[in-house]
Amino acid sequence: DSGVTQTPKHLITATGQRVTLRCSPRSGDLSVYWYQQSLDQGLQFLIQYYNGEERAKGNILERFSAQQFPDLHSELNLSSLELGDSALYFCASSVDSNQPQHFGDGTRLSIL
Amino acid sequence: AQTVTQSQPEMSVQEAETVTLSCTYDTSESNYYLFWYKQPPSRQMILVIRQEAYKQQNATENRFSVNFQKAAKSFSLKISDSQLGDTAMYFCAFMKLGNTPLVFGKGTRLSVIA
Repeated sequence: DSGVTQTPKHLITATGQRVTLRCSPRSGDLSVYWYQQSLDQGLQFLIQYYNGEERAKGNILERFSAQQFPDLHSELNLSSLELGDSALYFCASSVDSNQPQHFGDGTRLSIL
Repeated sequence: AQTVTQSQPEMSVQEAETVTLSCTYDTSESNYYLFWYKQPPSRQMILVIRQEAYKQQNATENRFSVNFQKAAKSFSLKISDSQLGDTAMYFCAFMKLGNTPLVFGKGTRLSVIA
């Protein structure tokens, strides 16, 4: 058990809909990262938060947004969903600089 | 920008044998971290081993060890005494210093055969 909790584990929805993925980092970890794993693109970094502030942005679409709350949990919001958004979405956390990232079990998103 | 290349999409190894997974990377950074993550069929991402670029000594974790060649920008993973539970996708990843995102390779699917 990595200590990183992601909910829900599975999500099935339709095109055009909006969903929210939730992540609770390990106790004491200030950094939260979101990654997308799809068959054709592999594992890609989306966005990073550190202690409530956006730290870095990767290949995140404008239809996607995220935030980190004062209790350090994070949410990833995906809107106007398309078939190509079907993927496994991982959250990872780390305590500070230069420490390994520990991953949650992921949320499997299926768009029908 | 950093890139990570894993040139072996699939590999197989007999149980109890040794296997080496290859990884090369490209960066202009002088200090950084390299990782191997394992993703079994359960889809979890599990940290296997970590190497700091400023350390010449190769990292080891039980049956897992790396061959880090900084000049060649190569970072291979050796699994000794392979076990059925080692069957998984293995991802090589690069991280710059300073709490930065990971850059992943495409992965190598390893099958351990009884």
